[in-house]
Amino acid sequence: ETGVTQTPRHLVMGMTNKKSLKCEQHLGHNAMYWYKQSAKKPLELMFVYNFKEQTENNSVPSRFSPECPNSSHLFLHLHTLQPEDSALYLCASSQDPDPTNEKLFFGSGTQLSVL
Amino acid sequence: QKEVEQDPGPLSVPEGAIVSLNCTYSNSAFQYFMWYRQYSRKGPELLMYTYSSGNKEDGRFTAQVDKSSKYISLFIRDSQPSDSATYLCAIAQGGSEKLVFGKGTKLTVNP
Repeated sequence: ETGVTQTPRHLVMGMTNKKSLKCEQHLGHNAMYWYKQSAKKPLELMFVYNFKEQTENNSVPSRFSPECPNSSHLFLHLHTLQPEDSALYLCASSQDPDPTNEKLFFGSGTQLSVL
Repeated sequence: QKEVEQDPGPLSVPEGAIVSLNCTYSNSAFQYFMWYRQYSRKGPELLMYTYSSGNKEDGRFTAQVDKSSKYISLFIRDSQPSDSATYLCAIAQGGSEKLVFGKGTKLTVNP
């Protein structure tokens, strides 16, 4: 185990549903990330949080709403998603937000299907 | 032109083969080069980390960076079925610039 836990592992939702993805890290890290991994596409950075403050929003549509109540927990709230949002959503953490100095620790992801 | 190009494969080799995985990149400002390994139904995990040019060896794995050609490689010697995974290259400039990932190459090592 990497020390980063994501729930649920799988999620199927309709386009009008509201759901949330949860991530928890037990590593004492200060930075947390949401990535999207679609088939045949590179990993896409969505959001970065450093000490609970959002430091990056990579032009993500507002139907994705992140929340970081503390340095150990990260949520991604989902609302009126589109079928093209179906993907593996990965949470990651690192000691600080400079990815060249500290390696990223990823969770196992939530496989999301939007019907 | 995409920042990082990586052939998605799939690549299938027999056990014991030498595997070569590659990425090319377009921005000469990139200085940090990483390889992540992702097993099925798992998140990526860092495998190799290299700064600037040169080689780095760790057991059966060797990472090479050729900045003049903007080309990075990962070699796996004596490949094992347990090496079957998707390998992603990741590159960064440093500072506040984000990590840029390749699409990943799916490798299968057949016993």
